[in-house]
Amino acid sequence: QKEVEQNSGPLSVPEGAIASLNCTYSDRVSQSFFWYRQYSGKSPELIMSIYSNGDKEDGRFTAQLNKASQYVSLLIRDSQPSDSATYLCAVAPFGNEKLTFGTGTRLTIIP
Amino acid sequence: GAVVSQHPSRVICKSGTSVKIECRSLDFQATTMFWYRQFPKKSLMLMATSNEGSKATYEQGVEKDKFLINHASLTLSTLTVTSAHPEDSSFYICSAKGGAGSPLHFGNGTRLTVT
Repeated sequence: QKEVEQNSGPLSVPEGAIASLNCTYSDRVSQSFFWYRQYSGKSPELIMSIYSNGDKEDGRFTAQLNKASQYVSLLIRDSQPSDSATYLCAVAPFGNEKLTFGTGTRLTIIP
Repeated sequence: GAVVSQHPSRVICKSGTSVKIECRSLDFQATTMFWYRQFPKKSLMLMATSNEGSKATYEQGVEKDKFLINHASLTLSTLTVTSAHPEDSSFYICSAKGGAGSPLHFGNGTRLTVT
């Protein structure tokens, strides 16, 4: 059974600090990895996608992928209160079809 | 602006009735649409994959006769919850993508409450 594991949190981080979110997955054939942000009662919105081992940076966000260890992480620098949300990790075997989502980590940025 | 429109955003219905949820791609042709269900404080669970012009592929444990999916055009897929029961109350979300390599776009979700 394909599984995507995340610490449910809540994770509390002071404003301006770095928030670190982690995700592990069980299916070794996973090739595409995504981080989504979901505000309460809203649909997920894509933050980052990553397909190759290493780091990928986009503004304040950095995704890190290690396929050998089967984990993917998301770093949020200079955390803002507006970053408070649930962050969902999602993986797919190829492309971005049939995503398997983790349970999400609830992040709270403390002003 | 939104590229996938989902309607209605909220619906309350009585037990035993049916509810239809629409998912439209606004400025692209969606060859594939996905339907998810999300219970409170839980993750999104894929219910089915809908391909235009063919029958939907349902995930294990999802009753195809209860959750009817129709993808009659490249811009519209519908999910009908038939004979709804209180346990069907959930947040239903669709997503859509165009051809290979195109990004996945999510609708804004439908909050279904069955009384």
